[in-house]
Amino acid sequence: GQNIDQPTEMTATEGAIVQINCTYQTSGFNGLFWYQQHAGEAPTFLSYNVLDGLEEKGRFSSFLSRSKGYSYLLLKELQMKDSASYLCASVDSNYQLIWGAGTKLIIKP
Amino acid sequence: DAMVIQNPRYQVTQFGKPVTLSCSQTLNHNVMYWYQQKSSQAPKLLFHYYDKDFNNEADTPDNFQSRRPNTSFCFLDIRSPGLGDAAMYLCATSNSTDGYNQPQHFGDGTRLSIL
Repeated sequence: GQNIDQPTEMTATEGAIVQINCTYQTSGFNGLFWYQQHAGEAPTFLSYNVLDGLEEKGRFSSFLSRSKGYSYLLLKELQMKDSASYLCASVDSNYQLIWGAGTKLIIKP
Repeated sequence: DAMVIQNPRYQVTQFGKPVTLSCSQTLNHNVMYWYQQKSSQAPKLLFHYYDKDFNNEADTPDNFQSRRPNTSFCFLDIRSPGLGDAAMYLCATSNSTDGYNQPQHFGDGTRLSIL
């Protein structure tokens, strides 16, 4: 079967660094997306990885290891506005997105 | 700005009363998606259009129908809403002409409540 696992909830402190992990098992693999979703709003695109390694985009970085079926999203210099859910989605062999349930990130002052 | 627009933002309907949700896009993307998302759950793909080709997910209930009259517009029809259909409905688009791994762009969603 197809499965995406990510922690349900994480808490971090303003100004700190947090790493949100995602493991995936999908039929075929054509890359992995990370989306941010604030409560009651639509998901917004953060990053896409298809090759192994780290992609950096400002305060946010995303890492992929295809051999381990593993990705993480790294958020630096956390701000209160980063409080949101972070969804991991893998692209399967049919180019369909297999979504995780999201990790709710709570930022404390 | 080019965008994906969903109307209405909030929709209330009665149990069993048909309801239509709409989505329009100015991105000129060829693929459009409808998702259902319940609280703290992953978005669930209901169907998608690849140009005019309709693709229904195997587990999408018959109660849900969709229409795409042109590139810009897509509609979700719920023929007889039940209490379990209360959810956020998300419309998304992507442009597969630039490759199949383009990110999906989401509208703000329509939150559907059933009385």
